[in-house]
Amino acid sequence: QVQLVQSGAEVKKTGASVKVSCKASGYTFTRYYIHWVRQAPGQGLEWMGIINASGGSTTYAQKFQGRVTMTRDTSTSTIYMELNSLRSEDTAMYYCARGGSYYDSRGYLNGMDVWGQGTTVTVSS
Amino acid sequence: DIQMTQSPSSLSASVGDRVTITCRASQGIRNDLGWYQQKPGKAPKRLIYATSSLQSGVPSRFSGSGSGTEFTLTISSLQPEDFATYYCLQHNSYPLTFGGGTKVEIK
Repeated sequence: QVQLVQSGAEVKKTGASVKVSCKASGYTFTRYYIHWVRQAPGQGLEWMGIINASGGSTTYAQKFQGRVTMTRDTSTSTIYMELNSLRSEDTAMYYCARGGSYYDSRGYLNGMDVWGQGTTVTVSS
Repeated sequence: DIQMTQSPSSLSASVGDRVTITCRASQGIRNDLGWYQQKPGKAPKRLIYATSSLQSGVPSRFSGSGSGTEFTLTISSLQPEDFATYYCLQHNSYPLTFGGGTKVEIK
């Protein structure tokens, strides 16, 4: 079955960076896009960006431009999301989620079907 | 950016009730809308995609409708396991945007 398994919880200092991983299984990794979504404590869902697992191209939400980098390793079917210059407002649960198929004409704009279990990132001074 | 206005933000209902949640988009999004259910401490789960298509494995008491700017999620007969928070998501254009959520609580 399709599964996304994320790395464990992180505690970081203000100004530091965090890198969260998302390992995919149960489907052809390079055929799908992967989104990253975050959720601050008690708050709603916020889209951060998307990566094409095949070619590695990315689109980021403007709010995170310059601070976020999404990459992939096709040899291990793993997607990474790195967020720099952390501040307290980045304390949140971070989710990866599978998007549409690369072979669909609008696959880059499909919603998410399968989600990872989430990774808690806590930022404190 | 497309704003998604979801209402109500919370509601109280009883088992067996019919529940309706609405999302309004700030501009037309065709049928590029999905609905997600989230339980405390869990990742969201997709219920509906493309406005009205039921995700595999999701009970048929869930249904979606709408087009353009107005969309609705309906639970025909609320079950105990349906108490959760529900979000709509527009995926018509970047950035993808979610509604603010609707918390469905037990009356």
